[in-house]
This record gives sequence, structure tokens and C-alpha cells, in this order.
Amino acid sequence: GQQVMQIPQYQHVQEGEDFTTYCNSSTTLSNIQWYKQRPGGHPVFLIQLVKSGEVKKQKRLTFQFGEAKKNSSLHITATQTTDVGTYFCAGLNTGFQKLVFGTGTRLLVSP
Amino acid sequence: NAGVTQTPKFQVLKTGQSMTLQCAQDMNHEYMSWYRQDPGMGLRLIHYSVGAGITDQGEVPNGYNVSRSTTEDFPLRLLSAAPSQTSVYFCASSYSRRSTEAFFGQGTRLTVV
Repeated sequence: GQQVMQIPQYQHVQEGEDFTTYCNSSTTLSNIQWYKQRPGGHPVFLIQLVKSGEVKKQKRLTFQFGEAKKNSSLHITATQTTDVGTYFCAGLNTGFQKLVFGTGTRLLVSP
Repeated sequence: NAGVTQTPKFQVLKTGQSMTLQCAQDMNHEYMSWYRQDPGMGLRLIHYSVGAGITDQGEVPNGYNVSRSTTEDFPLRLLSAAPSQTSVYFCASSYSRRSTEAFFGQGTRLTVV
């Protein structure tokens, strides 16, 4: 079945440093979504990428969707303590029925 | 609008007991799903529904049943709880199966002893 892996599993950075998490799917995806989950909270939608090679930016966050629509990345420039949480990618299969989440990357930012 | 409402927030069960986790949404969303979250394993899809009367299995369906008799409600039933089902359960809904954003409930923390 469809599997979505993320690396790294955990990253601890100093405030102001950059951060990147990578997402890889075992199958080609219709689209990929990114979510953020704060400690003790529930996942909250950040963005969706649909097109091959698509790049989207939200302030300090840059999201990319690979040319083959099997991988994606999230890059945060100049992290802040408010960026703390776990970032998940989620891939929608080509049948548009299953949204499968990645394993997540937990980000810790020290002031 | 309340969004996606899950009840209860916390539950402790004994092995072998059954229970139903409730999920309701008031956004007239077509697509609903259940996930479980375990440390280091992300969110794993248990069951999903693309509309009232239609359900299907996700990645980890064993030990769980679902039904979707109305658009609003999507309960998850544990028939005979096992310690391996100790987890945090999230219900989510989307406007349609092709839709973008999934809205999540607050989660149910379940412990099976």
C-alpha cells in the first residue's frame, strides 16, 4: 500500500537557523498537503500542492512538490520559537480517496 | 459553526470492553476519516467515508468498525479493546474527497489497560 516517509524524525535548532523536512511517497500522488501540529493539539492545514514542480511560499515557509509528484519538502527560513511543533506531509492517492500522512518531523526551537 | 466535534476527550477501557468514539461535523462535508496517532508513527488512516452510506478501509482497519448513516456523523467502534489500541484518535472531514483542507477534531486519548 501507499507509504509516506519523512526525514528527519526530529530536529532541534537555535532560533534564527533554517529548517527543512523532506517527504517521500512510495507511489505517485494527486496532491500533497502539509499540516502543523502543536504539542497537545490537533493537525492544522498549512498548504496544498497539486502541480508537478510546484513551489509555494507562506512568509518564511517554502513548500515544494517534486517533478515526479512523489516527494515534497518544507523549508522554514530563520526559525522562531512559534514554529515549534510537528510538521506532517499528507499525500492524496491518485484515486482521490485516501489521504495518507507521513511520519512527521518534530521541530524544537531554542531561543 | 463547531467544526469537527469528537467525544469523549479521554477514555480508559479494560481489555475486551467495547466502546464507540463519536465524531460529528456541521460543515456539510462529504469526506470523513479516522486516524490514530502513535509516537514516531505519524497519523495512520483507520477508515474513511466518501459520503453517507459509503465506507472503506484505510491502512490499519483491524479491530475497528465504522458506519456513515448521515452526512454529519461518523462513529468509530472498538468491538473488543486491546492494549495495542491505546492511542490518540483523530476524526477529520473535508468538503469532498478531492478537496484540499482536512479539518480535524480535538482528538480522543484512549488507554486500554
